[in-house]
Amino acid sequence: DAGVTQSPTHLIKTRGQQVTLRCSPISGHKSVSWYQQVLGQGPQFIFQYYEKEERGRGNFPDRFSARQFPNYSSELNVNALLLGDSALYLCASSLIATGVYNEQFFGPGTRLTVL
Amino acid sequence: GDSVTQMEGPVTLSEEAFLTINCTYTATGYPSLFWYVQYPGEGLQLLLKATKADDKGSNKGFEATYRKETTSFHLEKGSVQVSDSAVYFCALSRNAGNNRKLIWGLGTSLAVNP
Repeated sequence: DAGVTQSPTHLIKTRGQQVTLRCSPISGHKSVSWYQQVLGQGPQFIFQYYEKEERGRGNFPDRFSARQFPNYSSELNVNALLLGDSALYLCASSLIATGVYNEQFFGPGTRLTVL
Repeated sequence: GDSVTQMEGPVTLSEEAFLTINCTYTATGYPSLFWYVQYPGEGLQLLLKATKADDKGSNKGFEATYRKETTSFHLEKGSVQVSDSAVYFCALSRNAGNNRKLIWGLGTSLAVNP
């Protein structure tokens, strides 16, 4: 079975540009979460979506937005890119959004470099 | 707010040495606790988990026990291998609320020499 897939693998943009990152969850999973991992640090939570609704938002500016489609895939959009947005963007999928524990499965990430 | 603190790396060990990576947390209520591993060039993989106090998670020879009294979840392995070289992340997830976001430590890099 395919795991979580993300595209593109790598991306280079310049300051001020906009970027869209894509994620396809594991088949049957209805929840997608996005994390930003700056080099040398742990991931930081950006968004969680479940059944196309936003269930949580981390401490990121409004330049970051996301959506989930009827097939449960998701896009993360970042506008007006800054140098500090350079990071590995991780997508994780899970069966549902809540419960005592619901394991999140991670994709390989999209490496974004802002010049 | 909730937070995770783990020992700084890098940690360098010889093969078959004993490994401990310390992790402590701050959280309201009773979170679930996790160790994830990130091998070079790969994505994050769940290594083990514990969902309540005194639970012991184990996988691939690694173990960690959820200690509520010390708010800790230290990772241990009795005999490391070269293939264990990776970055290890401790994380928590609160068991209440509308979502299950993971809150992460900074990661501890482990290098095992033959």
